[in-house]
Amino acid sequence: SAVISQKPSRDICQRGTSLTIQCQVDSQVTMMFWYRQQPGQSLTLIATANQGSEATYESGFVIDKFPISRPNLTFSTLTVSNMSPEDSSIYLCSAGQGPNYEQYFGPGTRLTVT
Amino acid sequence: SQQGEEDPQALSIQEGENATMNCSYKTSINNLQWYRQNSGRGLVHLILIRSNEREKHSGRLRVTLDTSKKSSSLLITASRAADTASYFCATGGFGNEKLTFGTGTRLTIIP
Repeated sequence: SAVISQKPSRDICQRGTSLTIQCQVDSQVTMMFWYRQQPGQSLTLIATANQGSEATYESGFVIDKFPISRPNLTFSTLTVSNMSPEDSSIYLCSAGQGPNYEQYFGPGTRLTVT
Repeated sequence: SQQGEEDPQALSIQEGENATMNCSYKTSINNLQWYRQNSGRGLVHLILIRSNEREKHSGRLRVTLDTSKKSSSLLITASRAADTASYFCATGGFGNEKLTFGTGTRLTIIP
């Protein structure tokens, strides 16, 4: 199984600022995914990040608000831009190693916007 | 949007009892997975069941799948305090597919 780390683990930010979350995988993976979990809710996919191409965003999420980078097969970043209190959530990245493997998740980044 | 709903939303049982959680989904699937989340942290993969399987076991976990009813259940036997967590079912997610999560069940084991 892949081991996934995220940085930071938590942060408290002021509204109007931006935060970049890093996701590192210990092996090369084809696809990486970014999810948001609002307080007390389930997980919702923000976007899929494939190395070498633009991220694919789900309905309700836009690149200007959540720009994503995927510079290589082990690393991705998600930026939460121009934050508001409604962006307070846990952000999780996951990775799939290929068509015959389950997805594994990082420990999450708990973001609080004041 | 969520793929489906989980039932119950919250469950409290005594340590040693069995816990059963149910998941319903809306569309045809290739597989269904169950995850555990402790205290709002990362998700731990518990078990995957494919659409052509009806039942699968892993330690104290038993998962069933009824594709005709578009439902799955997770049974945890002989519960322990450490099983206190939120449990989510999710469809897709095998390899390069995106995961679509259910609403989750919050399980509390009372010592």
